[in-house]
Amino acid sequence: EAGVTQFPSHSVIEKGQTVTLRCDPISGHDNLYWYRRVMGKEIKFLLHFVKESKQDESGMPNNRFLAERTGGTYSTLKVQPAELEDSGVYFCASSPRTSGRASQETQYFGPGTRLLVL
Amino acid sequence: QKEVEQNSGPLSVPEGAIASLNCTYSDRGSQSFFWYRQYSGKSPELIMSIYSNGDKEDGRFTAQLNKASQYVSLLIRDSQPSDSATYLCAVPNSGYALNFGKGTSLLVTP
Repeated sequence: EAGVTQFPSHSVIEKGQTVTLRCDPISGHDNLYWYRRVMGKEIKFLLHFVKESKQDESGMPNNRFLAERTGGTYSTLKVQPAELEDSGVYFCASSPRTSGRASQETQYFGPGTRLLVL
Repeated sequence: QKEVEQNSGPLSVPEGAIASLNCTYSDRGSQSFFWYRQYSGKSPELIMSIYSNGDKEDGRFTAQLNKASQYVSLLIRDSQPSDSATYLCAVPNSGYALNFGKGTSLLVTP
């Protein structure tokens, strides 16, 4: 079974440009998450989809970030316009349909997209 | 702000020794605790989860939880050079979002 995949693996853009990150979750996983790790900091939660619906977007830093999950399969995270502080590693994770306690769901992570804004 | 704290290390242990990784958390109501291992440039990989006070063993790994002290640890017995990685402690918030520590870098020397 294929794991969570992310594209691109690396992206270098200039301040003010737009970048779109893509995540393909494990097939059949209804839950999809985005996280970000800024250099020197811990991995931080950005948002959570259940199928195509945003369940929790409390971690989104500002309105320059837009996440979508049309059709409840893959997801995109767009940063527009990108700022220097957006540099970091963006991780996507997925988990199966909830069958029990939400806090015990195992989240499977992708390899991340390394974004550098110059 | 719910926090998860880890010593960033690096923690260096000789091959065959026991590596002890520690994590404290601020939310007394937390019920679930996860340890992820992350090799450089790779995705975080879940290696242990623990929900009840006490010890949970899985192969060479043992997770220990003490909710009264808000403390969770990971012991790696018979450490191998392949165990060299960053170990991330993660605690869910009231929903699905994971709060991570900064991670502890472990180096197992041959």
